Parts: sequence; structure tokens; C-alpha cells
Amino acid sequence: ETGVTQSPTHLIKTRGQQVTLRCSSQSGHNTVSWYQQALGQGPQFIFQYYREEENGRGNFPPRFSGLQFPNYSSELNVNALELDDSALYLCASSEGGASGGARDTQYFGPGTRLTVL
Amino acid sequence: AQSVAQPEDQVKVAEGNPLTVKCTYSVSGNPYLFWYVQYPNRGLQFLLKYITGDNLVKGSYGFEAEFNKSQTSFHLKKPSALVSDSALYFCAVRDMRNGGFKTIFGAGTRLFVKA
Repeated sequence: ETGVTQSPTHLIKTRGQQVTLRCSSQSGHNTVSWYQQALGQGPQFIFQYYREEENGRGNFPPRFSGLQFPNYSSELNVNALELDDSALYLCASSEGGASGGARDTQYFGPGTRLTVL
Repeated sequence: AQSVAQPEDQVKVAEGNPLTVKCTYSVSGNPYLFWYVQYPNRGLQFLLKYITGDNLVKGSYGFEAEFNKSQTSFHLKKPSALVSDSALYFCAVRDMRNGGFKTIFGAGTRLFVKA
């Protein structure tokens, strides 16, 4: 098991609502990335935070936003939920760096299963 | 465009036989390649990565992968499969544009190991 934890484990919301997912990174890691994994698909990159700043973003709309805190934990916020937002949301931490830490291994948490009704 | 392809949705092998899970990639520049495994209702677990150097990379749980630049492949292998290896396997490549912060995953290959 990695040292990355996520909460909650499962969540059920209705369309139009807002949700906040949380991630605690592995000790010594200052970079956190978030991924969306729809059923039967590979993870899709949402964004990455390094030292409290977003330093990379995938093809997700602005209603997906995030935060990283001084202790390097992170939140993913999704506004105006849509049915297609139903997925497993994965957080990954790495030692990282401002340039993205391209060689770094990402260590994943167990994920949060979000269901939007 | 940067991309990863896993041409097989599923692979079936008998316990004790060698296994191969295929991955091909398309990147500009030198590739940084990764393999992860996912068990049901779990996050991804890192198996191994290729950054540079020896084309044969050894990883966790007896897995290894061979980097082949001419064929743009990074196939995952294990000499003797175990039933407990049954899981979903993902190949991934770092998108080196804009500092390489984005990891692109393949669609995954489900491995079934039969006793």
C-alpha cells in the first residue's frame, strides 16, 4: 500500500450539486495529480499541483478545480455535477518538482467512487 | 500526438506459463514509460518504469518490461504467471510537452490467469 489516502471512499450526488474530494499525499511528496477513471477506461489526467500552484491541466472544463495546502494535501472540487462525472477519482503523489518531475513515479491512492444520479 | 495503445482488451494464460501484456506508444522525444496494475476497487500500483539505460527493466512481483525503440513498444512480461496476477494492467507514458507533468494511460488490459 502507498501512503496516499483519499476520502470519502464512496459518494452519491445528484445532477447540479457540488462535490469536494480530498487527498493526503505520501510523506515527502510535494506534487499531487488528480485523475478521472470512467468505468472500463484508463485514468484521464485532470490537473497537477506543485507547492500549492496548479502547474498542469488536462482537457477538463473549469468546473473542475482544485487546491493544494501547505502540508501538500489536496482537494478536487467539481461544480454543477453531470451524469458523465460518475467515475473513480484517483489522486497520485510524487516527489515532483516545478518542471513536472517527468521521471518521478506517481503513487496512487485507493480512489473515491463518485456516482451522480 | 502523445498516445499509448494496449491492443488487447484481455489476455488469458495458464498458471506457470509466461505472460506478455502488450503496449505501444507514440511520443515526441525520449519516452518515459510506466506500467501499473489495478486490483478490483483499488487504486493503481506501480510495477516498473523505463527512463533511460538498459532496455530490459525489472520491477515488482517478478514483472519485467522490454523497451524497444524501433518498434515503439514496451511490453510487460513475467516468466511464470500466478493466479494472483489476475488484474487490470495499464501502460502509461509521460507527455513531455510543458515539463512532462501529464501522464497518458492506455485503456488497460485485463489479465486472467487460470489455475
